[in-house]
Amino acid sequence: RKEVEQDPGPFNVPEGATVAFNCTYSNSASQSFFWYRQDCRKEPKLLMSVYSSGNEDGRFTAQLNRASQYISLLIRDSKLSDSATYLCVVNRGNFNKFYFGSGTKLNVKP
Amino acid sequence: DTGVSQDPRHKITKRGQNVTFRCDPISEHNRLYWYRQTLGQGPEFLTYFQNEAQLEKSRLLSDRFSAERPKGSFSTLEIQRTEQGDSAMYLCASRDGTPQETQYFGPGTRLLVL
Repeated sequence: RKEVEQDPGPFNVPEGATVAFNCTYSNSASQSFFWYRQDCRKEPKLLMSVYSSGNEDGRFTAQLNRASQYISLLIRDSKLSDSATYLCVVNRGNFNKFYFGSGTKLNVKP
Repeated sequence: DTGVSQDPRHKITKRGQNVTFRCDPISEHNRLYWYRQTLGQGPEFLTYFQNEAQLEKSRLLSDRFSAERPKGSFSTLEIQRTEQGDSAMYLCASRDGTPQETQYFGPGTRLLVL
């Protein structure tokens, strides 16, 4: 079983829509969680860390459910510029190794 | 530019040749990671350095792959006797030692083995 699993999508949504992605992780010892954004043929860039209590950054909200071992990302009022692949990342706490999901592709259309 | 840099950005080589990639991390970062990414996949961990010490190495890293970070600053990743399956994007990332701090990626080296 993969360490981190994501629905590859693509999610095709109109501008202004709200879209949510989930990501599941297999190791209950995972302690740190992140969402990265990756544009086509570019490097991944940190979108936001995911905290136990959930956190929000503008139009983006991240949630963690430890009991069910999943992380979610909610994007409100989608913009064309949100089109990208969103990568879920987990770490077991020693920070020696980060595990990436395969990414969920989002296409926001006019 | 104070970000992570990688060189070269693109490399085309013939099967069986050796290639070497360089990564310069953010200057105050003592942790450095190498990843490999193929189309449609997320980055796969290859190896990790804390200062000059290589602390973790993936089973994906065959004996044809070697990485060094001799002075705890820049790092090199060498692939010997390249194979077509080595074609991928090789990403370097760095972070400082602060708990919960995430990593920052360089632009990657795109390798094509013919």
